[in-house]
Amino acid sequence: QVHLVESGGGAVQPGRSVRLSCETSGFTFNIYSMHWVRQAPGKGPEWVALISNDENKKYYADSVKARFTVSRDNSKNALFLQMNDLRPDDTAVYFCARGNGPTRTLDYWGQGTLVTVSS
Amino acid sequence: DIQMTQSPSSLSASLGDRVSITCRASQGIRTHLAWFQQKPGEAPKRLIYAASGLHSGVPPRFSGSVSGSEFTLTINSLQPEDFATYYCLQHHVYPYTFGQGTKLEIK
Repeated sequence: QVHLVESGGGAVQPGRSVRLSCETSGFTFNIYSMHWVRQAPGKGPEWVALISNDENKKYYADSVKARFTVSRDNSKNALFLQMNDLRPDDTAVYFCARGNGPTRTLDYWGQGTLVTVSS
Repeated sequence: DIQMTQSPSSLSASLGDRVSITCRASQGIRTHLAWFQQKPGEAPKRLIYAASGLHSGVPPRFSGSVSGSEFTLTINSLQPEDFATYYCLQHHVYPYTFGQGTKLEIK
């Protein structure tokens, strides 16, 4: 079955960097676009970024553009999110999710990893 | 950015009731809309894709519909496990945007 597991979260000071990973299994990773979505404590989800299956297309939310970079390693079935210049309002649970297009968008999600940005 | 206006923000209902939640898009999104259910401490789970398609394994008491720019999630015969928060998502243009959420509580 489809399985996505995020890791790399934790406590970090403002201005520092963190790299999140999403390990996947149970599907053909290299044919799916992948997303990052975050959810601040007590708030609704916020879409963060998308990367196409071949890495040719990347899109970001304005709130993270120029600070976050999404990447993937199709040989390892893994997705990454490099987060630089972190701010307190980046504090959230970060989820990876699979799929894009009319029927596939965000069809399966990982359990999330918490990033806390605080001095 | 496309704004998704979701209503109501909260809803109180009883077991067996039928409830509806709506989302309105600030501009046309065709049928590029999905509905998600989220329980505390869990990731969102997709219920509906393409406005009215039922995600695999989701009970048929959940249904989605669209009329013009208004999208509706309907839950028939509420079950105990249905009490959760529900979100719509437009995936027509980037950045994708979620509705503000509807918290469904037991009356």
